[in-house]
Amino acid sequence: QKEVEQDPGPLSVPEGAIVSLNCTYSNSAFQYFMWYRQYSRKGPELLMYTYSSGNKEDGRFTAQVDKSSKYISLFIRDSQPSDSATYLCAMTLTGGGNKLTFGTGTQLKVEL
Amino acid sequence: NAGVTQTPKFQVLKTGQSMTLQCAQDMNHNSMYWYRQDPGMGLRLIYYSASEGTTDKGEVPNGYNVSRLNKREFSLRLESAAPSQTSVYFCASSEVATGSPLHFGNGTRLTVT
Repeated sequence: QKEVEQDPGPLSVPEGAIVSLNCTYSNSAFQYFMWYRQYSRKGPELLMYTYSSGNKEDGRFTAQVDKSSKYISLFIRDSQPSDSATYLCAMTLTGGGNKLTFGTGTQLKVEL
Repeated sequence: NAGVTQTPKFQVLKTGQSMTLQCAQDMNHNSMYWYRQDPGMGLRLIYYSASEGTTDKGEVPNGYNVSRLNKREFSLRLESAAPSQTSVYFCASSEVATGSPLHFGNGTRLTVT
């Protein structure tokens, strides 16, 4: 079993929909949680970052961490075709430097 | 401001050939990383360098060697390529502090026949 599980999709939604992307993890020592967005043929770029539990909002994006359930989520409001990409969750330990453990990624397509 | 630059972008090797993937960053970051990305496996850490002069193994180091040439450059070498090393390789850099964002290059697509 992988340390971080993520549904690969693909997930197809109409423009304007609310998108929910999720990851589960098994290592309770993870403290730093990130979401990266990766466009086709490009490297991943950091989208959201959360330390420990709680919510963080940035424009149309909200990241949630539930450490008791070992579950993290990324919500995208008013989704746009430009949001079509693969979304990767990533996490690391306190004192783990930046050696991130990544999920496999969820491919999202937002259709007109 | 180029960020993280990887060369080459594409490469085809025959089994047993060797090659070096080059990576350079211009953000004055101390830490650099090599990941490989395979379908269904996500990004897996091959090697990383927390600071100039240090390198450490990641999750999948077998068949690879690295060199931290200076603060800017971190190369990945395949001494004897195998088909199992067909993948997309990403270099990244970051500040040292845990939780600092990784900045990725756009990858090298390697096929080993």
